Amino acid sequence: DGGITQSPKYLFRKEGQNVTLSCEQNLNHDAMYWYRQDPGQGLRLIYYSQIVNDFQKGDIAEGYSVSREKKESFPLTVTSAQKNPTAFYLCASTTGTGETLAKNIQYFGAGTRLSVL
Amino acid sequence: EDKVVQSPLSLVVHEGDTVTLNCSYEVTNFRSLLWYKQEKKAPTFLFMLTSSGIEKKSGRLSSILDKKELFSILNITATQTGDSAIYLCAFHRGASKIIFGSGTRLSIRP
Repeated sequence: DGGITQSPKYLFRKEGQNVTLSCEQNLNHDAMYWYRQDPGQGLRLIYYSQIVNDFQKGDIAEGYSVSREKKESFPLTVTSAQKNPTAFYLCASTTGTGETLAKNIQYFGAGTRLSVL
Repeated sequence: EDKVVQSPLSLVVHEGDTVTLNCSYEVTNFRSLLWYKQEKKAPTFLFMLTSSGIEKKSGRLSSILDKKELFSILNITATQTGDSAIYLCAFHRGASKIIFGSGTRLSIRP
């Protein structure tokens, strides 16, 4: 089945440690996104990538890094510089970008819940 | 600054009731408004609205957009326990940027 797979479902980070969240899609979508969701808040954009080997910062990129070496993969690293990483992280993809509106409907993975030890 | 405000933040109703969820926005370069349902984990797409006054409908769910007054509503009739979820409103403002509201947590009591 086509979809977006995030792993792990739960992740614990020790102080000073970098951790990487995986996001893989087999939908052949061009664009991929990372969001952070805190209790009682909506989704906030961390990073997005419209094409392989290119990505842009979202609204809360500080303390995070990404790579887009393959079309189907968009891993997110939560670095030690992110002082409040406890949250629910969602990865999404769209068929494309730009002015064709239907291409901007996002499809989401099941999320990774990150906690600090 | 672009923003999306959803109300109420939470809502508890009995099965069979009809509910109306609200979404107001202030945006530059509005392209479309989207509604998502988030039950446990992954939000799932419900509607995309681009034109004022045209109702989108799917079963017991319907939504409409007012671009003059800058708001949208999501209606759910004859609610069921399976409708319990967080409902997210978002707008697409172009350049691959989609801004989400904080969501409305809907609980349906049997």
